[in-house]
Amino acid sequence: KAGVTQTPRYLIKTRGQQVTLSCSPISGHRSVSWYQQTPGQGLQFLFEYFSETQRNKGNFPGRFSGRQFSNSRSEMNVSTLELGDSALYLCASSLAGGYNSPLHFGNGTRLTVT
Amino acid sequence: GNSVTQMEGPVTLSEEAFLTINCTYTATGYPSLFWYVQYPGEGLQLLLKATKADDKGSNKGFEATYRKETTSFHLEKGSVQVSDSAVYFCALSKMDSSYKLIFGSGTRLLVRP
Repeated sequence: KAGVTQTPRYLIKTRGQQVTLSCSPISGHRSVSWYQQTPGQGLQFLFEYFSETQRNKGNFPGRFSGRQFSNSRSEMNVSTLELGDSALYLCASSLAGGYNSPLHFGNGTRLTVT
Repeated sequence: GNSVTQMEGPVTLSEEAFLTINCTYTATGYPSLFWYVQYPGEGLQLLLKATKADDKGSNKGFEATYRKETTSFHLEKGSVQVSDSAVYFCALSKMDSSYKLIFGSGTRLLVRP
């Protein structure tokens, strides 16, 4: 079974631009979550989607948004990029979410904002 | 609020040494507890989990016991290998915020031959 696939692996953007990251979950998984990983703040929850609905959102500004499609694939978008948005963005999927459900992570997209 | 505290790294051990990585949590009620591992250049992989007090999670020689009385979930392995070198994250999830994991800051383990 293929794992969680994130594209692209690396991105370099300029401050003020916007970016879209993509995530394909494990086949059959309907819950997709996004996390930001930085050396200073560690791993922080961005949002979680299930059946195209956002069920939970972390404490990030409105510049960070996401969506999920009917095939469970998900995208996240960051507008008006700031230098502090440089991070590894990790997508994770699970069958249905829930507090006992382990997450399966992709290898992440490394975003560098210059 | 809910939080996870891990011992700071790096932890440097020789091959076949005993490993302990401390993890304590703050949360009301009964969270589920997890250990994830991150190898260089990769995402996180679930190592083990425990969902109720006194549960022991185990996988690949690693173990951790959910201790409600000390709010701890320490990771242990009897004999580490060079291939265990990675960053280890302790995390919790709660029923009332069930769609997100709260992670500790991570502990880097370096095993020398």
